[in-house]
Amino acid sequence: GDSVTQMEGPVTLSEEAFLTINCTYTATGYPSLFWYVQYPGEGLQLLLKATKADDKGSNKGFEATYRKETTSFHLEKGSVQVSDSAVYFCALRSGNTPLVFGKGTRLSVIA
Amino acid sequence: SAVISQKPSRDICQRGTSLTIQCQVDSQVTMMFWYRQQPGQSLTLIATANQGSEATYESGFVIDKFPISRPNLTFSTLTVSNMSPEDSSIYLCSGAGGTEAFFGQGTRLTVV
Repeated sequence: GDSVTQMEGPVTLSEEAFLTINCTYTATGYPSLFWYVQYPGEGLQLLLKATKADDKGSNKGFEATYRKETTSFHLEKGSVQVSDSAVYFCALRSGNTPLVFGKGTRLSVIA
Repeated sequence: SAVISQKPSRDICQRGTSLTIQCQVDSQVTMMFWYRQQPGQSLTLIATANQGSEATYESGFVIDKFPISRPNLTFSTLTVSNMSPEDSSIYLCSGAGGTEAFFGQGTRLTVV
């Protein structure tokens, strides 16, 4: 079945550092890919998405590009802030099926 | 995207009792799902809530323990029955239409 593998955390960065969280996937078809963010004590919010190969999703300074050849959807941000501290989930969805999530990566940004 | 109102946001319950969690979507959605998120873990799918028929449960989850209703395209409930401390978790509902899925704020359940 479909699956998502993302880098283990936790990740601790200093403010203004560059962030990369790796995500790779396995799917039989052509899924849509997502990054969700969960701030402490809150539910999941969609951060960005891409629905086909070579699409780039972006939001709040975060970016991820749908790479079919490497089955990857790595999350990047050029300069993180303390307010970016959260858990980040990579996910995929094929058609009308439920989302399949990675294990999540906890990011802590220190001033 | 649509907005899901989920309640209660948190509860502390006695073992052996049941809790019903409600999700109301502000527009009709094709699919609704229920997930569990144990502390520090990712989301595990409990079931797909089917409108007008029995929910479709994932391996390890059964209807007697987690009965689900979905009477229309905007509303669903999940009941956690005969609770034990192992059921302490965050429960989230999700709605999906098109490619995107969105979530309620979650219910943080503690069973004592």
